[in-house]
Amino acid sequence: EAEVAQSPRYKITEKSQAVAFWCDPISGHATLYWYRQILGQGPELLVQFQDESVVDDSQLPKDRFSAERLKGVDSTLKIQPAELGDSAMYLCASSPRTGTYEQYFGPGTRLTVT
Amino acid sequence: QKEVEQDPGPLSVPEGAIVSLNCTYSNSAFQYFMWYRQYSRKGPELLMYTYSSGNKEDGRFTAQVDKSSKYISLFIRDSQPSDSATYLCAMSVFDAGKSTFGDGTTLTVKP
Repeated sequence: EAEVAQSPRYKITEKSQAVAFWCDPISGHATLYWYRQILGQGPELLVQFQDESVVDDSQLPKDRFSAERLKGVDSTLKIQPAELGDSAMYLCASSPRTGTYEQYFGPGTRLTVT
Repeated sequence: QKEVEQDPGPLSVPEGAIVSLNCTYSNSAFQYFMWYRQYSRKGPELLMYTYSSGNKEDGRFTAQVDKSSKYISLFIRDSQPSDSATYLCAMSVFDAGKSTFGDGTTLTVKP
């Protein structure tokens, strides 16, 4: 069964350092999402891609976060500099097409900022 | 106030019990209503979805949507220890794709 891949699974970094997360969606899925899930809360959308284009990044803290999906396949989310409040699970999800409820989530990257 | 509010729990029930999980929402534009199950340290997994109002049944799971009350429910019959997880409700506007999630209810089913 096809799955969304994410790496690393766990990351510990110090405040003010840079950190990057990688996501490989299910093959053929045009839509890719990055969500942030703080412990005890539901996922919140950071950015949505359709192919290589950003569809929605209204909740992405652009002063420190950036996201790219250069060839419309895999994607990287970067934080620079990391802050203590960035400690959370970063989830990637993909959909076969835009506008559908179907989202398939990866296992997430758990980030701890010390 | 959040667009989607979910009973926080935690909820602990004996094996075989009927479980009721609930969410309310404020955005009347929501058309898709989903329930996800999330095991510890894993990503959410889609359990069920409903489009607009009504009921949907899948095995031991029943999803209900009441758009007039802006209220959705997930019922689990004959609950099993393997159902122990966090359940997230999620909603989306038709054609928008992105989902707005509740904060989840953690369920423990005791043998």
